[in-house]
Amino acid sequence: GAVVSQHPSWVICKSGTSVKIECRSLDFQATTMFWYRQFPKQSLMLMATSNEGSKATYEQGVEKDKFLINHASLTLSTLTVTSAHPEDSSFYICSARDDSGSPYEQYFGPGTRLTVT
Amino acid sequence: AQSVAQPEDQVNVAEGNPLTVKCTYSVSGNPYLFWYVQYPNRGLQFLLKYITGDNLVKGSYGFEAEFNKSQTSFHLKKPSALVSDSALYFCAVRDKAGYNKLIFGAGTRLAVHP
Repeated sequence: GAVVSQHPSWVICKSGTSVKIECRSLDFQATTMFWYRQFPKQSLMLMATSNEGSKATYEQGVEKDKFLINHASLTLSTLTVTSAHPEDSSFYICSARDDSGSPYEQYFGPGTRLTVT
Repeated sequence: AQSVAQPEDQVNVAEGNPLTVKCTYSVSGNPYLFWYVQYPNRGLQFLLKYITGDNLVKGSYGFEAEFNKSQTSFHLKKPSALVSDSALYFCAVRDKAGYNKLIFGAGTRLAVHP
């Protein structure tokens, strides 16, 4: 089956630094990927839709300059949390939409746990 | 706007008993509905989906869901619960506009007791 990987699986960084999270579709092409954020015991909140070769579409209330998204190829999207603060600590999950077939299937990565100290 | 609701924060069931996790939806037109399961510190695992056709959908790990158009519901069911089924369950609907993003319910924590 289709596999989506995320790297790193967990990361600890100091306040004020930036951290990059990668999302890869391993065996399919994904023009579109999605980035979610999940707080403890809560649902997934869609942050942005990442589109290969174009600017990401951010959900209302998500800071574009803080959460930088780059979708440079059909198998890779990155989320960079800039100038991280403790309140950015969360579980970040990506998903990738398989370009083949109809309707499009969406597959989820295993998530990245970010802790900002 | 399309949405799903999961009215129960937590469901408790004894091992071996049938389980039901509830989901209702609000969409325009025909819905594309999904169930996912999440184990601690893990991503989401796909269980099953309803696109069209038979109202009873069978999925992974013995789960099934019944699509009920008149009640706008898509409840997840399993005839005999296992302790290992204890996890967080999410119902989702696909937004047909834009990039087909998924809209998730709040989640229901299932606790299966031995």
